[in-house]
Amino acid sequence: GESVGLHLPTLSVQEGDNSIINCAYSNSASDYFIWYKQESGKGPQFIIDIRSNMDKRQGQRVTVLLNKTVKHLSLQIAATQPGDSAVYFCAEIGADGLTFGKGTHLIIQP
Amino acid sequence: ETGVTQTPRHLVMGMTNKKSLKCEQHLGHNAMYWYKQSAKKPLELMFVYSLEERVENNSVPSRFSPECPNSSHLFLHLHTLQPEDSALYLCASSQERDNTGELFFGEGSRLTVL
Repeated sequence: GESVGLHLPTLSVQEGDNSIINCAYSNSASDYFIWYKQESGKGPQFIIDIRSNMDKRQGQRVTVLLNKTVKHLSLQIAATQPGDSAVYFCAEIGADGLTFGKGTHLIIQP
Repeated sequence: ETGVTQTPRHLVMGMTNKKSLKCEQHLGHNAMYWYKQSAKKPLELMFVYSLEERVENNSVPSRFSPECPNSSHLFLHLHTLQPEDSALYLCASSQERDNTGELFFGEGSRLTVL
């Protein structure tokens, strides 16, 4: 079946730098995408979403980019802080419902 | 602060035990979910309830038995589990079961089967 995946299981960045977390999806019919953040010992939390009729959406310090041509989704976090340390999941919603990727663990170096 | 509360947060049980996980949502949502989260794997959907009626069961072994007595409460009854069932079990809710809305997760119940 089709799946959503992330390119890297772990990403290490310096505090204050920008972080980019990537996700490749394979279902071109998916029309809605979500990024979740899961801190240690907690459940996933919604960060930002984007619909397939958009290619960019900005939130507070976060930006999601959608490239439907190559079926790629990314989450950009500006000025990364220690509190951003977490596992980040992308998820797509299509005909099969909500499908999650494996997650990227973002590690913040002081 | 989450609107979805799960208890217990941690559970250790033997393979012959019977235990239950509880989930309560205070968001007025109509759909509730059980997910299994294992290390290095994507979240796996186990059960979905919409307005207290089970609408999806993703081929979960019968040793997991869900119960949804009302739209605010969801249980997962566990019996004769296997060590490979050790995982984080997450409950979630959404406004409707329409696959377009945001899921709100609880903090999970960490299950260890000895």
